[in-house]
Amino acid sequence: AQSVTQLDSHVSVSEGTPVLLRCNYSSSYSPSLFWYVQHPNKGLQLLLKYTSAATLVKGINGFEAEFKKSETSFHLTKPSAHMSDAAEYFCVVSGPLYNFNKFYFGSGTKLNVKP
Amino acid sequence: DGGITQSPKYLFRKEGQNVTLSCEQNLNHDAMYWYRQDPGQGLRLIYYSQIVNDFQKGDIAEGYSVSREKKESFPLTVTSAQKNPTAFYLCASSPGHLDSGGNTIYFGEGSWLTVV
Repeated sequence: AQSVTQLDSHVSVSEGTPVLLRCNYSSSYSPSLFWYVQHPNKGLQLLLKYTSAATLVKGINGFEAEFKKSETSFHLTKPSAHMSDAAEYFCVVSGPLYNFNKFYFGSGTKLNVKP
Repeated sequence: DGGITQSPKYLFRKEGQNVTLSCEQNLNHDAMYWYRQDPGQGLRLIYYSQIVNDFQKGDIAEGYSVSREKKESFPLTVTSAQKNPTAFYLCASSPGHLDSGGNTIYFGEGSWLTVV
């Protein structure tokens, strides 16, 4: 069975400090993994995705994530937070090859950035 | 520009009414989805469609109906049987096939439905 766990429901950082949003997944196959960002009253925007190429994935707005198979993790990081990064972030895993149109969502992490 | 268009952005429903949320995509995607998001909560799948004229129930399909008569369109009807419909509704699509980049899901801007 596939599942995604976002370990923190809320994360608060100061502007200019690093961001770490944690995501663990459970999968019986080699999944594709994604991070999305959602600003209030908006849809989800794709930040980055991992599809079995390089384990360190760079995305938009300075975010990156590292796929660690041994730890079944796909944590999202950014070296220096900006006020505009305040939003909710979702970790997502794709379904297996025989059901690749299914996607499994974490419960979300709300990022607060303090001035 | 290619994308997913949801309308209306805000919709108010009276008790006992059916309402329909529109979703149109010009990405030539095969698969389309409807999700419900309640404040402070994650996404829950209502219905999805992998091809035209075919759709499957998601985790919370009761009180909702859909149709997929055209590849570009996947409207969602919230019926009077849905007892607590106030929520943010997100339409999404994906190519529906695998390539070197895998399969990726893309979202519209969402629609707010409120019962008055």
